[in-house]
Parts: sequence; structure tokens; C-alpha cells
Amino acid sequence: DAKTTQPTSMDCAEGRAANLPCNHSTISGNEYVYWYRQIHSQGPQYIIHGLKNNETNEMASLIITEDRKSSTLILPHATLRDTAVYYCIVRVPNTGNQFYFGTGTSLTVIP
Amino acid sequence: KAGVTQTPRYLIKTRGQQVTLSCSPISGHRSVSWYQQTPGQGLQFLFEYFSETQRNKGNFPGRFSGRQFSNSRSEMNVSTLELGDSALYLCASSLGTVTGELFFGEGSRLTVL
Repeated sequence: DAKTTQPTSMDCAEGRAANLPCNHSTISGNEYVYWYRQIHSQGPQYIIHGLKNNETNEMASLIITEDRKSSTLILPHATLRDTAVYYCIVRVPNTGNQFYFGTGTSLTVIP
Repeated sequence: KAGVTQTPRYLIKTRGQQVTLSCSPISGHRSVSWYQQTPGQGLQFLFEYFSETQRNKGNFPGRFSGRQFSNSRSEMNVSTLELGDSALYLCASSLGTVTGELFFGEGSRLTVL
């Protein structure tokens, strides 16, 4: 049970912001939202995570709606190297590192 | 700081054989998780070990097993291989805290003929 819904694919022009949406309408109050990405044939790479507040790091920003039922990952200036599958994951407490990756969004950055 | 190391990177086996995959986590990480990735099923959780104890287990048959050593290195074993076991097997390590992120290795690609 992935508990998240993401678009199957998206395109973004190089240099523009990439906004990847995720719906998690059944999220509980103590469940975190995580984002990972996987570049072809490599292991998934951690991007960012958050609970309630918006978060920003050197890679991306995470915007979580006030009701926490959806979130958006923002890559501020997409490059060709950002082409990857992006996974939005709701981490269920007390399940350790048992992440449900779902099908993710395949982002293609176009030159 | 060295990342997660998985060996071997590629291997080919035949049906009925068994295979052992190895994972060396990031230094200081006590949790090691294993995932299977196939085109049809995507990334699926196999199991997690923390301080040599299995902490969580996914929905896989008993042919899939694992263990963790005192130095946090982990191995997973698949016995009586089936064609459907062909997959990329990914290992991830973490500190094991509630919000700690996973750091994945490059994976071991198993082909069963």
C-alpha cells in the first residue's frame, strides 16, 4: 500500500523550476513525507523530508499543504542530471525503514 | 565517508541454485534494509536488520533470508532460485532513528536463467 498518488510522468525545461506533486490524503498526524529519486540503474537517492512545515535544502524545497493531504517537491533550477524517477513516500511510524515506494513520477528535463 | 557497498554488482544463476549478496553499510550505521526492484513490481521492501536483529520483514517467501553481523555488515540469501527472482537487489543503511534517511547502494543485479 503506497499511500501516495503521483503523476506517472512530467517534463520540465532545463533551467526552469520543476514542481512535482504528490497526494497523500490518508496521511496520519505523525507520518512524515519523504522524497527520493532514482536515476536509471542507480540506487535511490534521498532528497528531503518533512512533517508539517515547509523544508528546504541544497537540493530542493518541500511544500506541504496545511491539511497535509498533499505536497510538492520543487527543484528550483532543473538540469539534465535531474532526469530521474521521483518517489513520494509516507513513512509509517514503528515500521523502521519499511518504505513503500509506489510507482513514482518519471521526470524528464528537456534541453 | 564511504557509501554503501554491495557485492557482487552483477551475477547470473540458474533455477534451483542459491545466491548470497553482501552489503557493507556506511560507517556508524546500525540499520540495514534490503529491497527488491523489478520492472513489474517496482521497489519492494524485503527486510530490515538493526543491531543484528531483524526488525521488520516484507511480504516475501521464506526462500529470502538475511542476517547482520556485529560490524553491521549484512548478507541476504535467496535459496531455490526462480526465474521471477531476477531483479536488482538494493541495500540501504541508516542510523536507524525514527526520521533518519536511507542511503542506498548501487545494487546487485541478479539474473536467473
